[in-house]
Amino acid sequence: EIVLTQSPGTLSLSPGERVTLSCRASQSVSNSYLAWYQQKPGQAPRLLIYGASSRATGIPDRFSGSGSGTDFTLTISRLEPEDFAVYYCQQYGSSPWTFGQGTKVEIK
Amino acid sequence: EVQLVESGGGLVQPGGSLRLSCAASGFTFSRYTMSWVRQAPGKGLEWVSSVSGSGGSTDYADSVRGRFTISRDNSKNTLSLQMNSLRGEDTAVYYCAKVVVARQWSSAFDIWGQGTMATVSS
Repeated sequence: EIVLTQSPGTLSLSPGERVTLSCRASQSVSNSYLAWYQQKPGQAPRLLIYGASSRATGIPDRFSGSGSGTDFTLTISRLEPEDFAVYYCQQYGSSPWTFGQGTKVEIK
Repeated sequence: EVQLVESGGGLVQPGGSLRLSCAASGFTFSRYTMSWVRQAPGKGLEWVSSVSGSGGSTDYADSVRGRFTISRDNSKNTLSLQMNSLRGEDTAVYYCAKVVVARQWSSAFDIWGQGTMATVSS
């Protein structure tokens, strides 16, 4: 099983700041099958990025993903008020598909 | 509009059973792998099970293998999860989810339902 470790656990930031979230895999993720999701309290997750760097439909271009192998990054170029949430990475390259434990981005 | 609506959650005693359903609309259901993902209260996301578009291939997390059965009815655009021998650690919100790419087994989840809560407690 591929274990995904996200860092940091929590980020306290202000609107307008640049955010970089990390997701490290215990072994290489096949075909860069790595996704990022955003989840707000009481809501279902929303897909942001798939295939490590492809933005999902309707996702603003301030969200970008990069990486390959075992190291992946989600970047938010300028935080908007609606971006404060929990972010999860997920690998779907090998079964069982696994999620990271999440990074909470909170308002400073 | 592409939509997934789950139902069937509730309170069940340990060792009991529950059947979850997910009604899909707005897309060609039979072309897409469908999955169940759960989230225990205050915890992260856990993939549970997936079924291919035809229903011919399935996969399960080790934590539910042998107890849960995923199935689909493409004539009714419905996904199901039969959960038997339930345990306290199965308590969670259960989401059904559609993958991004048609006819692809491995793909990210682009559409999620609102979730249905299953509580296992005496």
